Amino acid sequence: DTAVSQTPKYLVTQMGNDKSIKCEQNLGHDTMYWYKQDSKKFLKIMFSYNNKELIINETVPNRFSPKSPDKAHLNLHINSLELGDSAVYFCASQANPFPDTQYFGPGTRLTVL
Amino acid sequence: GDSVTQMEGPVTLSEEAFLTINCTYTATGYPSLFWYVQYPGEGLQLLLKATKADDKGSNKGFEATYRKETTSFHLEKGSVQVSDSAVYFCALTRPSGTYKYIFGTGTRLKVLA
Repeated sequence: DTAVSQTPKYLVTQMGNDKSIKCEQNLGHDTMYWYKQDSKKFLKIMFSYNNKELIINETVPNRFSPKSPDKAHLNLHINSLELGDSAVYFCASQANPFPDTQYFGPGTRLTVL
Repeated sequence: GDSVTQMEGPVTLSEEAFLTINCTYTATGYPSLFWYVQYPGEGLQLLLKATKADDKGSNKGFEATYRKETTSFHLEKGSVQVSDSAVYFCALTRPSGTYKYIFGTGTRLKVLA
């Protein structure tokens, strides 16, 4: 079974559209993250939730909105997509106590045309 | 603020060559240090970690030693294989506080047969 799964794996869409990416972990972890990886492989943290509570909210446009319906799921909704949003988005989870290993999903490659 | 600096890539080696990827960090206190590896088309996965000064992390023939005096955590492997071709990320996190990981910019390794 996949520990951290993301859907979809690929997402191609037009500028201005709204899209969502879903993440689920079956590891029983309390903390989940969203990262954005650009074409140069630079990894930037966007958000983190701990037990459904938002604990990290980096400087991210408010077009991006995370939602955690329960501690096993963390979704990312993006409004009014822009060309610069094209990237690979990774979900990750981590057990407590902090610090511990982060487990990453396979990524969602978003292409905005 | 905390930061991680990695050597620029790509690093290109022949099979069975010795590998060093440099990583230095800036942080107050005693962070935990990690190396993550990203194979093509996949998410990051933990390669090794060290949580206190002079600890040596090791896995799959890779090693790194936490050097407090030089604020370094260089990754080494005695004999690389083609299958080691990937992007390697150095990362740190504090033992408490913001649940935030700081990743380096990644170093791409290419191993030629």
